Amino acid sequence: EIVLTQSPGTLSLSPGERATLSCRASQSVGSSNLAWYQQKPGQAPRLLIYDTSNRATGIPDRFSGSGSGTDFTLIISRLEPEDFAVYYCQQYPASPLTFGGGTKVEIK
Amino acid sequence: EVQLLESGGDLVQPGGSLRLSCAASGFTFSNFAMSWVRQAPGKGLEWVSSISDSGGSTYYRDSVKGRFTISRDNSRNTLYLQVNSLRGDDTALYYCAKRAPTWGPFDYWGQGTPVTVSS
Repeated sequence: EIVLTQSPGTLSLSPGERATLSCRASQSVGSSNLAWYQQKPGQAPRLLIYDTSNRATGIPDRFSGSGSGTDFTLIISRLEPEDFAVYYCQQYPASPLTFGGGTKVEIK
Repeated sequence: EVQLLESGGDLVQPGGSLRLSCAASGFTFSNFAMSWVRQAPGKGLEWVSSISDSGGSTYYRDSVKGRFTISRDNSRNTLYLQVNSLRGDDTALYYCAKRAPTWGPFDYWGQGTPVTVSS
């Protein structure tokens, strides 16, 4: 099983600041099959990034993903008020599919 | 517009059973793999099970093997999860999720149906 470790657990930032979220895998993620999701309270997760660096439909370009092998990063270039949420990374298609524990981006 | 609408969640005693359903619309259901993902209260996301577009291949996390069964009816555009022998650690919000092509990530999610296991 590929274990994904996200850091930090909580990120306290102000609107307009840059957010850098990390996701580290216990073994190499094949073909860069790494996705990022955003989840707001009371809502279902929403796909942001797939295949490490591709934005999903309708996702603004302030969200970007990078990385390879075991180290991946999600960057939010300038935080908007609606970006404060929990973010999860996920690897696929290796079974079992696994998610990281999440990073909460909160307003400072 | 893709829509996934789950139903069937309930309060059930330990050892009990439920059948969760997910009605899909807005896409050609029979062309895509589907999955169930759950989230315990205040916790993170946990993949539960996946099924291929035809229903011929199914996959489960170890903790639910032998207790949960995923299935689909492509004529009704509906995904199912039969959950048996429920335990307290199965308490969660169960999401239905569409897989992107070729066993990709979860590109669309329902709003979830709650399962609570308690005596």
